[in-house]
Amino acid sequence: QTVVTQEPSFSVSPGGTVTLTCGLSSGSVSTSYYPSWHQQTPGQAPRTLIYSTTTRSSGVPDRFSGSILGNRAALTITGAQADDESHYYCVLFMGSGILVFGGGTKLTVL
Amino acid sequence: QVQLVESGGGAVQPGKSLRLSCVGSGFTFRNYGMYWVRQAPGKGLEWVGIIWHDGSKKYYVDSVKGRFTISRDNSKNTLYLEMSSLRVEDTGVYYCARWGEGYSYDWGHGTLVTVSS
Repeated sequence: QTVVTQEPSFSVSPGGTVTLTCGLSSGSVSTSYYPSWHQQTPGQAPRTLIYSTTTRSSGVPDRFSGSILGNRAALTITGAQADDESHYYCVLFMGSGILVFGGGTKLTVL
Repeated sequence: QVQLVESGGGAVQPGKSLRLSCVGSGFTFRNYGMYWVRQAPGKGLEWVGIIWHDGSKKYYVDSVKGRFTISRDNSKNTLYLEMSSLRVEDTGVYYCARWGEGYSYDWGHGTLVTVSS
């Protein structure tokens, strides 16, 4: 069974930089998994920030960026703002449309 | 722009059935694979399944295999999720999402399913 791992929680100061990561229980995350990142605030539908590792969705500010760091996918938020306080989910594409979601990271901005 | 609108959620008893719908607009529906994703109360997102653009292939998470069926009617721009033998643990918000170009995603607003006696 494939498990996608994320930090359960993270905190960042307003204006600071934070990097959230996404790994695999066995193996490395590579661009072949087309990692994506999705932001969700309580009561709202998810919003896709990054797909295919590094591509920002339309309308997403450039302070959100995606990358591969070592054997993990990463989402970096530069100049964090109060309304970045959300849950962030990593998704890996396993082929044929099969997706595996990470457990999510709750980001606090304080 | 791309719009996905789910409907059909509601309260149902364990063991019963329910059908969800998702209508797509703003894109050529028949050209895209479509996902169902769910979220139990207070929990994370979980992929439920995928149907390819032409309905030729479908894949499901293990926990719903044999109970849930994804289908689509491309003439009506509509995606379906037929859920049977519902369990309390199937409770949650169900989202449809589009498998977009370059492995991008577009999300619906979700519909709530509550399974309770």
